[in-house]
Amino acid sequence: TQLLEQSPQFLSIQEGENLTVYCNSSSVFSSLQWYRQEPGEGPVLLVTVVTGGEVKKLKRLTFQFGDARKDSSLHITAAQPGDTGLYLCAGVETSGSRLTFGEGTQLTVNP
Amino acid sequence: DTGVSQDPRHKITKRGQNVTFRCDPISEHNRLYWYRQTLGQGPEFLTYFQNEAQLEKSRLLSDRFSAERPKGSFSTLEIQRTEQGDSAMYLCASRRRSGSYNEQFFGPGTRLTVL
Repeated sequence: TQLLEQSPQFLSIQEGENLTVYCNSSSVFSSLQWYRQEPGEGPVLLVTVVTGGEVKKLKRLTFQFGDARKDSSLHITAAQPGDTGLYLCAGVETSGSRLTFGEGTQLTVNP
Repeated sequence: DTGVSQDPRHKITKRGQNVTFRCDPISEHNRLYWYRQTLGQGPEFLTYFQNEAQLEKSRLLSDRFSAERPKGSFSTLEIQRTEQGDSAMYLCASRRRSGSYNEQFFGPGTRLTVL
């Protein structure tokens, strides 16, 4: 079973600060997805990264896939209270269809 | 654009009772997945269907759990003789037929509480 480790598990920052969330594995994934989840709701897909070294930007969010496709990061610039939520990374197994999720990073942005 | 829907959103039951959840995927998606999420954890894979065929089951899916997708559209997940450890959020996701890098779109989930 491929495992994904996310860090930090909890993050509480002030509005306007920058932050980075990390997602690491010892295994190679064919692609990796980042989701954001609000309490009582299902995860919402933010981005999919496929190619090693790939960088994708979504407004103030920057996603990077490691060169070896084993790790990924999410950087948020000038965080806003609306960014508060649980951020989940999920890898697609190389030989299957299931998503393997990290434990998530609970982000709180205080006004 | 109709997303993935799940019913009910919340279910409270007593230990030993049977419960059934329903998932309606996005209409053009042929793959459907079930995950379970406990508090403070990421979702864990349970099973998935391609059309009506159940192609993979996790070892988390004990013999008290059964899932069906009889006509390749909606799916049901049944838990028999519920236990307190079954309390969790049950999430359904669907995926397009091809060319999507396994991008899965989730429903709002069914929150199960076993008393």
